[in-house]
Amino acid sequence: DTGVSQNPRHKITKRGQNVTFRCDPISEHNRLYWYRQTLGQGPEFLTYFQNEAQLEKSRLLSDRFSAERPKGSFSTLEIQRTEQGDSAMYLCASSSGTAKNGYTFGSGTRLTVV
Amino acid sequence: AQSVTQLDSHVSVSEGTPVLLRCNYSSSYSPSLFWYVQHPNKGLQLLLKYTSAATLVKGINGFEAEFKKSETSFHLTKPSAHMSDAAEYFCVVRTSGGGADGLTFGKGTHLIIQP
Repeated sequence: DTGVSQNPRHKITKRGQNVTFRCDPISEHNRLYWYRQTLGQGPEFLTYFQNEAQLEKSRLLSDRFSAERPKGSFSTLEIQRTEQGDSAMYLCASSSGTAKNGYTFGSGTRLTVV
Repeated sequence: AQSVTQLDSHVSVSEGTPVLLRCNYSSSYSPSLFWYVQHPNKGLQLLLKYTSAATLVKGINGFEAEFKKSETSFHLTKPSAHMSDAAEYFCVVRTSGGGADGLTFGKGTHLIIQP
């Protein structure tokens, strides 16, 4: 097991286009989290899944954002009609229980909207 | 609501001298607290965690943190800085209750190591 894997590492897209990111968590982890990190800031919570169920969504997750985890394994995060303000690092993390023990983070996908 | 405040945006120390990165938390109950480190172009790595056991927590790479309830602090220390410690450090509190299960990050402290 190589940890949490995110693809692609970098994505440059034109404003208005749709983008999709993928996260493969550590195989035995049942919880999966998405965070967003803008330059000079700490990561901000977006949403999380327990198995295939999406249990919480932040108010940061506008209706242009959607996340899925269809089989309780990998997850995708889609952004529709991208805006320049969506430019950020999108981080995925997984854990075997609650956040009480911390997470394992992936290296992130850096999105640049031009 | 839980929150953390990192008191310094930048800290600069000389190699071989002690490191102190300061963090204060706000929580209505006994919190779970963490320190994460982020090296340039790399993912976040968990340094250590406090989950209501011992108040002095030892982490990786020689880092420690002490939970002080009376001061609502969770400062990170290391006796002797190494060049490889240069990175961004985040103090983090678990956000829970009402179905929530996330982590709230501070704004980060950039640690600079002078040769």
